[in-house]
Amino acid sequence: DGGITQSPKYLFRKEGQNVTLSCEQNLNHDAMYWYRQDPGQGLRLIYYSQIVNDFQKGDIAEGYSVSREKKESFPLTVTSAQKNPTAFYLCASSMGGGRPATGELFFGEGSRLTVL
Amino acid sequence: RKEVEQDPGPFNVPEGATVAFNCTYSNSASQSFFWYRQDCRKEPKLLMSVYSSGNEDGRFTAQLNRASQYISLLIRDSKLSDSATYLCVVNWSSARQLTFGSGTQLTVLP
Repeated sequence: DGGITQSPKYLFRKEGQNVTLSCEQNLNHDAMYWYRQDPGQGLRLIYYSQIVNDFQKGDIAEGYSVSREKKESFPLTVTSAQKNPTAFYLCASSMGGGRPATGELFFGEGSRLTVL
Repeated sequence: RKEVEQDPGPFNVPEGATVAFNCTYSNSASQSFFWYRQDCRKEPKLLMSVYSSGNEDGRFTAQLNRASQYISLLIRDSKLSDSATYLCVVNWSSARQLTFGSGTQLTVLP
């Protein structure tokens, strides 16, 4: 079945460590996104990519990095520079490809990162 | 002022009740509007788009008021399974990504 797979589902990290969250999709979507969700807050965009080998900063990119070497994959690295990394991270994809967003984002099940 | 603003609730309603949520947006150039549903500790999923003329999908009705810059979601005959957080989502034509509200929490009680 087509969909988006995020891993790991739960992750614990010590302060000062970098961690990479995986996001893979087999929907043949051009666009992929990373969001962060904190309790009582909406989703905030970290990075997005409309096409392979290209990505753009979202609203809260500081302390994060991404790559888009393959259409199917959009990993997110949470670096030690991110001051408050404990959150629920959601990866999403959409048809994108230069067309205006239709509104249907397909989300993975999310990754919960806790910094100890 | 937040770009997309919602009453966080929680809204606690009995089964069978009708409940309505509003969402206001700040950018008058906003082009597309949506409601997403998010169950507890799960990912959001698209519930319905919101069209200028208003639209209905079963027990759910969405409306847009451009003059006042708000959208609404009406749920009739609430079911226990409607308990979730409802996220208001807006797309600006100049941006290709969506802006999410912080969500309104609904609990339908037996």
